Amino acid sequence: DAGVIQSPRHEVTEMGQEVTLRCKPISGHDYLFWYRQTMMRGLELLIYFNNNVPIDDSGMPEDRFSAKMPNASFSTLKIQPSEPRDSAVYFCASKAETQYFGPGTRLLVL
Amino acid sequence: RKEVEQDPGPFNVPEGATVAFNCTYSNSASQSFFWYRQDCRKEPKLLMSVYSSGNEDGRFTAQLNRASQYISLLIRDSKLSDSATYLCVVNREGLMNSGYSTLTFGKGTMLLVSP
Repeated sequence: DAGVIQSPRHEVTEMGQEVTLRCKPISGHDYLFWYRQTMMRGLELLIYFNNNVPIDDSGMPEDRFSAKMPNASFSTLKIQPSEPRDSAVYFCASKAETQYFGPGTRLLVL
Repeated sequence: RKEVEQDPGPFNVPEGATVAFNCTYSNSASQSFFWYRQDCRKEPKLLMSVYSSGNEDGRFTAQLNRASQYISLLIRDSKLSDSATYLCVVNREGLMNSGYSTLTFGKGTMLLVSP
């Protein structure tokens, strides 16, 4: 099994640009999570889906953040417009019984 | 009080040492507990679940004290490869008795094992 796949692995962009992060969960997992990790705040849950339906997006920091899961094998997290304080590592995770994380996307907004 | 609190460390220990980490959690209704390990610039990975009666996996022993709301992880005979950040994780019930629950992660305790 390839595990959770995320792309891109690294992203450097300028303030105001749109950023799209992508995730392919492990096949058969019915939960998908998006997290953000920073030194200051640790690992924070942004949003999660169950069977492609968003269940709780209360962790999404602002309206600039949006997430979709059009099918069981793909999800996106979009930031528009991006700001320097969005710089962080963004992890996608999926779960059937146990939660597995993807390798993360390191985002730097200049 | 934060939902999950850990000493950030770092804990510097020599190879072969025994080291213990504690973690406290605020939600007395939490039912599931875990330790995750995160290597530098990598994703968190499940190390072990924590059961009420305590459990052991090789050199690792996890304990749960519900009355005091703390969880511990003991590592015996430390190896260089044990150097990582150890995240204490507690489940959190979802909104409005939805039946969903999510994981709340502590910020982690850094362990550095030296030769």
